Amino acid sequence: AQSVTQPDIHITVSEGASLELRCNYSYGATPYLFWYVQSPGQGLQLLLKYFSGDTLVQGIKGFEAEFKRSQSSFNLRKPSVHWSDAAEYFCAVAPRGSARQLTFGSGTQLTVLP
Amino acid sequence: DGGITQSPKYLFRKEGQNVTLSCEQNLNHDAMYWYRQDPGQGLRLIYYSQIVNDFQKGDIAEGYSVSREKKESFPLTVTSAQKNPTAFYLCASGPGQGLGYTFGSGTRLTVV
Repeated sequence: AQSVTQPDIHITVSEGASLELRCNYSYGATPYLFWYVQSPGQGLQLLLKYFSGDTLVQGIKGFEAEFKRSQSSFNLRKPSVHWSDAAEYFCAVAPRGSARQLTFGSGTQLTVLP
Repeated sequence: DGGITQSPKYLFRKEGQNVTLSCEQNLNHDAMYWYRQDPGQGLRLIYYSQIVNDFQKGDIAEGYSVSREKKESFPLTVTSAQKNPTAFYLCASGPGQGLGYTFGSGTRLTVV
């Protein structure tokens, strides 16, 4: 069965520190991959996506993610975290060419300490 | 500006009542989706529609109904058959083919 795993429920980092949020997927073939961010009581905003090509993807707000086929991973990174990055982050996948839906991980809550 | 509008932002329902959540998009997207979000459970798909007058059940469709009479609109009805309707509901739209979504700002439904 298709699945998306975000192993870390909650991560706390200090402002200015680097960040890596983990995402692993289980699919028959490489799917489309996405990272979304959600502020409290709000909808989800797309940070970045991977369809093909360069495995290091740049997104908005200074985020990047690296696709590693051998590890079935798509980890999100940011070199220096800002207090405004505190939010919940969701990894999502979709089968290539399918209009059905995205499958979301359970999310990682990020707390940023001053 | 193009986007998705969900209304209302907050909704209260008495047990045994049906209630309808609105979702409108002006992005000219073919596909629209409804998700339910509960703390610690991520997003779960309720229904989706790829084209007008057609829709499919998602993973947790029981107790919900939808319609897609216009490309721009995809309302969700939470019926009295839904045993635990209190949740945050998110609508999304996309061009299809798994290319990602744009989300609305959500509706928080509380049963009182």
